Amino acid sequence: DAGITQSPRHKVTETGTPVTLRCHQTENHRYMYWYRQDPGHGLRLIHYSYGVKDTDKGEVSDGYSVSRSKTEDFLLTLESATSSQTSVYFCAILPGLAGGFGANVLTFGAGSRLTVL
Amino acid sequence: AQSVTQLDSHVSVSEGTPVLLRCNYSSSYSPSLFWYVQHPNKGLQLLLKYTSAATLVKGINGFEAEFKKSETSFHLTKPSAHMSDAAEYFCVVSDLGNDMRFGAGTRLTVKP
Repeated sequence: DAGITQSPRHKVTETGTPVTLRCHQTENHRYMYWYRQDPGHGLRLIHYSYGVKDTDKGEVSDGYSVSRSKTEDFLLTLESATSSQTSVYFCAILPGLAGGFGANVLTFGAGSRLTVL
Repeated sequence: AQSVTQLDSHVSVSEGTPVLLRCNYSSSYSPSLFWYVQHPNKGLQLLLKYTSAATLVKGINGFEAEFKKSETSFHLTKPSAHMSDAAEYFCVVSDLGNDMRFGAGTRLTVKP
């Protein structure tokens, strides 16, 4: 998965508990993203980052916060998980303009499946 | 904002027959367009991309797509389906490089 590691890969939690998902990359890419995938909706952007401590909201950011204190790590936090946040979460990076098939195209991690009971 | 509509939520074909997955987009700029594939319980893999070069784009595994500005379409095709093509396919549009919008997905079933 192009040097992207997501953890945990699976998590079951209860409503009202905090949850943090971690995305780690090994290639020092500037842009990192968090998406959620739900049936019938495709992938929807939650938050993205364009550098250390530089983040912005996506189309479904309510109930989520992010932090990026190091280039390699992008954390997604659910302060108080709800059942509507049961989903599969994907982290992605955007490799720069280096040419080739994968240049400037989102590259995804393997996903983190979160279940909120 | 840009958006994309995948016209079929599910397509079923027989092995060896052509595949057509339809995608229409909306964009205020000259968009970049992508198709991704997701096999069961896997991440997403890039199939092909259009970034204002040739309108007929060839991707991996024999897939190709044609950008038609007049029809605002970017349909994905393959001449002959293989069992291993069974997966979910996502059409993606991007106006400004770092804001990418996904379609809802098309599930492709391939019958023996």
